[in-house]
Amino acid sequence: GAVVSQHPSRVICKSGTSVKIECRSLDFQATTMFWYRQFPKKSLMLMATSNEGSKATYEQGVEKDKFLINHASLTLSTLTVTSAHPEDSSFYICSARDRDRLINSPLHFGNGTRLTVT
Amino acid sequence: KQEVTQIPAALSVPEGENLVLNCSFTDSAIYNLQWFRQDPGKGLTSLLLIQSSQREQTSGRLNASLDKSSGRSTLYIAASQPGDSATYLCAVSEMDTGRRALTFGSGTRLQVQP
Repeated sequence: GAVVSQHPSRVICKSGTSVKIECRSLDFQATTMFWYRQFPKKSLMLMATSNEGSKATYEQGVEKDKFLINHASLTLSTLTVTSAHPEDSSFYICSARDRDRLINSPLHFGNGTRLTVT
Repeated sequence: KQEVTQIPAALSVPEGENLVLNCSFTDSAIYNLQWFRQDPGKGLTSLLLIQSSQREQTSGRLNASLDKSSGRSTLYIAASQPGDSATYLCAVSEMDTGRRALTFGSGTRLQVQP
């Protein structure tokens, strides 16, 4: 089945530093990837839609200069949390859709990245 | 804006019980609805996907139904086991957003006691 690899699974960083999270589709090509954020015991909130070869589309309230998204190839999207602060600590999950499948086919999710900012 | 609600928020049952998890959504214009399982600190495992034209899907001890017109879905788990303990999330894929992202409910935390 389709696999999405997300790396790293856990990261601890100091306030003010930047952290890059990678999301790779291993056995399919994805023109669109989605980045979600999940607070403890809460649901997943869509942050942005990553489009291969073009700018990402951010949801209302998400700072695009803080959460930089790059989707440079059909198998890789990256989310960079810039100048991280403790309130950015969260669980980040990416998902991708196989471009060769129908629009109503299921999304495939990575295993998530636990970010802790100290 | 689509809103997805899951009831109950938490559920604790003894092993062997049959149980029903509920999901409701406010906008019936959806492509499909998915049920996921999430273990603590982990990613999502897709359980069942129901297309908007379908009424139910089954996988093993799991059965999911969809009533699109009333904006409801249920996940039925038969003969629950301790290994079923997890958070169950439902999510809908909307028709009127070109990106087809999923909108998630807040989940039902299930604990099956041995």
